Amino acid sequence: AQSVAQPEDQVNVAEGNPLTVKCTYSVSGNPYLFWYVQYPNRGLQFLLKYITGDNLVKGSYGFEAEFNKSQTSFHLKKPSALVSDSALYFCAVRGYGGATNKLIFGTGTLLAVQP
Amino acid sequence: NAGVMQNPRHLVRRRGQEARLRCSPMKGHSHVYWYRQLPEEGLKFMVYLQKENIIDESGMPKERFSAEFPKEGPSILRIQQVVRGDSAAYFCASSPRRDGRQETQYFGPGTRLLVL
Repeated sequence: AQSVAQPEDQVNVAEGNPLTVKCTYSVSGNPYLFWYVQYPNRGLQFLLKYITGDNLVKGSYGFEAEFNKSQTSFHLKKPSALVSDSALYFCAVRGYGGATNKLIFGTGTLLAVQP
Repeated sequence: NAGVMQNPRHLVRRRGQEARLRCSPMKGHSHVYWYRQLPEEGLKFMVYLQKENIIDESGMPKERFSAEFPKEGPSILRIQQVVRGDSAAYFCASSPRRDGRQETQYFGPGTRLLVL
């Protein structure tokens, strides 16, 4: 069965510092991995995805993620955090097998950036 | 280029009433997914539809919940005889191709259902 784990419920970082939001996955076959961000009372906005190729994926708003096959991880990173980055971040993996392309989400990590 | 649209954004129902949630996918998208986000939880897959077809409903509760995506018009998620435990945010997502696992799903703003 496919699954995604986000081990941190909350990450606190000071504005201007680098940030990392962790994600590990468990899949059979090649993983298709996604990061989304959710602002309060809003829908999910797509940030980036890993399908194949370079392990470092660049996405929206200056975010990037590093795919590490040996550690089964797909951590989200940003070199310099902004207060406006404060939001709920979800890692997801695409379901594998059968007719579905459903996304399987982690439980989310709340990012709080202090000014 | 309009994104995924959902209405209503907020819906209040009393126990036993019916709730109808609508989703219009992005232009050019023909695949719709419904997810539910319970308080303090992540999103859980409910159902995957194409026009006039339910492809995967493995995440749908066995009773009271149904979904459709007619040839014309939006996709509808219907909850009959709502109970307090149905209170949640319901999100719709669309994507352009069924068998492209690499395709991105784009989400709507959600419908927040409150059952009194």
